[in-house]
Amino acid sequence: GNSVTQMEGPVTLSEEAFLTINCTYTATGYPSLFWYVQYPGEGLQLLLKATKADDKGSNKGFEATYRKETTSFHLEKGSVQVSDSAVYFCALSTGGYNKLIFGAGTRLAVHP
Amino acid sequence: DVKVTQSSRYLVKRTGEKVFLECVQDMDHENMFWYRQDPGLGLRLIYFSYDVKMKEKGDIPEGYSVSREKKERFSLILESASTNQTSMYLCASSLDGNSNQPQHFGDGTRLSIL
Repeated sequence: GNSVTQMEGPVTLSEEAFLTINCTYTATGYPSLFWYVQYPGEGLQLLLKATKADDKGSNKGFEATYRKETTSFHLEKGSVQVSDSAVYFCALSTGGYNKLIFGAGTRLAVHP
Repeated sequence: DVKVTQSSRYLVKRTGEKVFLECVQDMDHENMFWYRQDPGLGLRLIYFSYDVKMKEKGDIPEGYSVSREKKERFSLILESASTNQTSMYLCASSLDGNSNQPQHFGDGTRLSIL
């Protein structure tokens, strides 16, 4: 079946450090891939998406590239800020009512 | 901007009670979803709806039911609440069933069953 695996957290970084959160997936067909972010006390917000192989999604300095050959969609940011502290979820959708399948989430803590 | 509103941020109920969680979206979206979020498990789909009065089971429907009488409103019902249903519940909507469409989430309801 379809599944998403992302690196366990928490990830703890100093401000301005480089961030990578790994995400790999298993899917039949050609899924769309998403990163969502959840700030404390809030629901999930879409961070970025990619809908086909080699697409790069980007937003707020975050980037992720849809790699079909490695079935990966790793999230990166060149210089994190304290305000990036949140839980990040990788997810896929293969259509058929647009149901999302989520990874377990990775908590990021950024310290000044 | 899409607004998904969940009626309560926090709820405390007792074992055996019937519990209603309400969700309203304001963008005429076709699809609506209910998830529960538990630490280490991510979000798991309980039920979804793709049209008024239409509903489908998700991955963990046991102990839950749903109602969609109007397009903008999707209710989750715990028929007889149990302690293992203590969780964060998140509602979401999407424009349609196209996998390119992102889902838009409410702020969640943290439900405690005593």
